[in-house]
Amino acid sequence: SYELAQPLSVSVALGQTATITCGGTNIGIKNVHWYQQMAGQAPVLVIYNDNNRPSGIPERFSGSNSGNLATLTISRAQVGDEADYYCQVWDTSTAVFGGGTKVTVL
Amino acid sequence: QVQLQESGPGLVKSSQTLSLTCAVSGGSISIGSNYWNWIRQPAGKGLEWIGRMYIDGNTDYKLSLKSRITISGDTSKNQFSLKLNSVTAADTAVYYCARSGLGWKRYFDDWGQGILVTVSP
Repeated sequence: SYELAQPLSVSVALGQTATITCGGTNIGIKNVHWYQQMAGQAPVLVIYNDNNRPSGIPERFSGSNSGNLATLTISRAQVGDEADYYCQVWDTSTAVFGGGTKVTVL
Repeated sequence: QVQLQESGPGLVKSSQTLSLTCAVSGGSISIGSNYWNWIRQPAGKGLEWIGRMYIDGNTDYKLSLKSRITISGDTSKNQFSLKLNSVTAADTAVYYCARSGLGWKRYFDDWGQGILVTVSP
């Protein structure tokens, strides 16, 4: 079965850039989606199809995907960006989530 | 954008059947442009996709749960349901229902608030 690997945690200084990676075999040929989950809340889609932002998501959120690595980038990190972030792909008819990355803004 | 709301028992005894319903508002589950999904999250752990249904009755389930799961829809009530048989403590989790699209829209763009289900001994 297809697997996605994310770092458990990422720390970023206030106002700096956070980079969250999502590794998978040839993930570059798949569409990668990213979700933000605040504590105690349902996940929210922040990036779809590698690098597209849904309406209402700040431009500070961006994504890329190539080779065996997809990346979510949060520019000018704010305290309000502290959350768990999950990448997700489809492996034929099965949805696969990465293990999640906890982002801490220092 | 649609609204989804999970409901069902918050406590289920081990070996029994977990039954949850997801009520959909602001859109019809009969529209053939969406899949209707169940996703769960054990406390302190990550998201796990359980399965999905399409309005024509087709379903896809996570392989490791396939023998215990049924996902079905009720168009008259505009809702869909999850049944998970022979539950154990490992099935204790927050259960979310979510919508995903077809083709290049296969992401989860609308989620319910989640419902905590605890499996008791």
